[in-house]
Amino acid sequence: DTAVSQTPKYLVTQMGNDKSIKCEQNLGHDTMYWYKQDSKKFLKIMFSYNNKELIINETVPNRFSPKSPDKAHLNLHINSLELGDSAVYFCASSQGVGGPGEQFFGPGTRLTVL
Amino acid sequence: AQSVAQPEDQVNVAEGNPLTVKCTYSVSGNPYLFWYVQYPNRGLQFLLKYITGDNLVKGSYGFEAEFNKSQTSYHLKKPSALVSDSALYFCAVRRARGSTLGRLYFGRGTQLTVWP
Repeated sequence: DTAVSQTPKYLVTQMGNDKSIKCEQNLGHDTMYWYKQDSKKFLKIMFSYNNKELIINETVPNRFSPKSPDKAHLNLHINSLELGDSAVYFCASSQGVGGPGEQFFGPGTRLTVL
Repeated sequence: AQSVAQPEDQVNVAEGNPLTVKCTYSVSGNPYLFWYVQYPNRGLQFLLKYITGDNLVKGSYGFEAEFNKSQTSYHLKKPSALVSDSALYFCAVRRARGSTLGRLYFGRGTQLTVWP
């Protein structure tokens, strides 16, 4: 009965490769997010989708491309991986945009670029 | 610009003693305020939120948070700390209205260590 799940949990890859991270939520929420947590544990929002529509697009390199096939899924594809992309990536979901509802986070995907 | 400050990178407290993790914010209008906790190698878990009303919010596991509008603070508190409370705590703020609707601004986190 996992609320927000991500796959894979760990991802180790070489520089220059392309990789994807998948996220699914079974909470019935209409808004999903991607966050990046760096080595100092700082959390930064990358993208947000509401009802499959992109509503937040931070200053993220265009090598990062989110895709939301439906309200329950938000995937993150990364092209031409760089060393600086190494981080933990968290998916989250919430109901509504801007309301008081809290966000529910997935367990994270630890990406290591060698 | 919206911002959240957690002035202490680390808080150390003995088990059984009260704990406080501080948070101040700079957001225009009346914000929604949140506390999240992150255990090692885990995602963030929601603890508490302030929307409106009573300034003292009570949450899970004995945690509470006190909202102070004049000081723009939202400190996390617990009367008696447990070793199992040791974790990384994040304060977060969201504007209730405006162009940044939906965006959650996080503090840099405070590592709480409770000593037995």
